[in-house]
Amino acid sequence: EAGVAQSPRYKIIEKRQSVAFWCNPISGHATLYWYQQILGQGPKLLIQFQNNGVVDDSQLPKDRFSAERLKGVDSTLKIQPAKLEDSAVYLCASSFRKGDTGELFFGEGSRLTVL
Amino acid sequence: QKEVEQDPGPLSVPEGAIVSLNCTYSNSAFQYFMWYRQYSRKGPELLMYTYSSGNKEDGRFTAQVDKSSKYISLFIRDSQPSDSATYLCAMSETAGNNRKLIWGLGTSLAVNP
Repeated sequence: EAGVAQSPRYKIIEKRQSVAFWCNPISGHATLYWYQQILGQGPKLLIQFQNNGVVDDSQLPKDRFSAERLKGVDSTLKIQPAKLEDSAVYLCASSFRKGDTGELFFGEGSRLTVL
Repeated sequence: QKEVEQDPGPLSVPEGAIVSLNCTYSNSAFQYFMWYRQYSRKGPELLMYTYSSGNKEDGRFTAQVDKSSKYISLFIRDSQPSDSATYLCAMSETAGNNRKLIWGLGTSLAVNP
């Protein structure tokens, strides 16, 4: 079974530029998450989708971040304009099971450096 | 006060040592407790999952939950260099896809050959 795919793996941009990250979850996984992980910290949930509907985006800085999940499959996270403090790894995760662990399966992440 | 506290380390131990990793929490409504392992430049992967209080064992790994003390632990027996990673605790009040996971900072572990 293929895992969660993310691209690009690495991106370096200047502040005020824009960037987009793409995620393809595990086939059949209805729930998709975008997390931000700053060096030395735990993951911070940015947005959670159930199919193509938003479940939780309370911590998404909506003035600069946007995300969409068209057709309930792959997803794109955009940052525009980027700030220095956006330097982080952006992790995409997906999950399937509803009743038990609801284990999150993570991709390898997209590492963003804002100069 | 953060909902979940975890000492970031780093923790360095010799191969074969018993490792103890811990998290404390403040929300007494947490019932589901997880340990994720994250290798360098990789995403986290679920290592252990525990519901409510008690112990759970899987090979060299034991997860322990003490709800009365609001304290969870992960023990690694006979630690190996391949156990070198960051260990993240996570917990939630409810189960399933719509639960809100609260994460610790992660503890960096190095097992030296």
